[in-house]
Amino acid sequence: DAGVIQSPRHEVTEMGQEVTLRCKPISGHNSLFWYRQTMMRGLELLIYFNNNVPIDDSGMPEDRFSAKMPNASFSTLKIQPSEPRDSAVYFCASSSRTGGLGGANVLTFGAGSRLTVL
Amino acid sequence: GQQLNQSPQSMFIQEGEDVSMNCTSSSIFNTWLWYKQEPGEGPVLLIALYKAGELTSNGRLTAQFGITRKDSFLNISASIPSDVGIYFCAGQRGSARQLTFGSGTQLTVLP
Repeated sequence: DAGVIQSPRHEVTEMGQEVTLRCKPISGHNSLFWYRQTMMRGLELLIYFNNNVPIDDSGMPEDRFSAKMPNASFSTLKIQPSEPRDSAVYFCASSSRTGGLGGANVLTFGAGSRLTVL
Repeated sequence: GQQLNQSPQSMFIQEGEDVSMNCTSSSIFNTWLWYKQEPGEGPVLLIALYKAGELTSNGRLTAQFGITRKDSFLNISASIPSDVGIYFCAGQRGSARQLTFGSGTQLTVLP
């Protein structure tokens, strides 16, 4: 398995531009997560999907951020318009819960997309 | 915001030394996980703990799920240079699918 695949690995853009980050989860995983990592705030959950449906988007900073999962093998995180404070590493992770209700949920992370907004 | 208190924040140790780091929370977690992140990469799972009191090893790594379900520790024995990285604890609460992460422990191993 190729693991969780994210693109682009690096993006440098100017303030006000639209940014789209992409993720391909591991085949067969039914949950997908978007995390943001910064020095100040560590790893923060932005949103997660279960069976392609957004379940919890309470971590999405504001209306400038949006995420979609049109099918089981693809998700996007979009920032429009981007701002310098959005500079961070954005991680996508996927999982497949083992066992029944309350079973373990081990996340596998992609390599991340490092975003720099000038 | 983060609900897990991870310590220490950073460690500088000599090669061959043992390392210990821990996470505590005011909330109960059903699962504790330990991840390692190397520069330019995403976190990689090291050990998963599913039951209170559970002690699990993975090579030179040993982790325990605290009896109160509010804490966990990770030990690394006989450290080597490739142990360098950031170690994160993560917890799963109730039936939630998402993980809450600690702030990380930056480990540096000096030759």
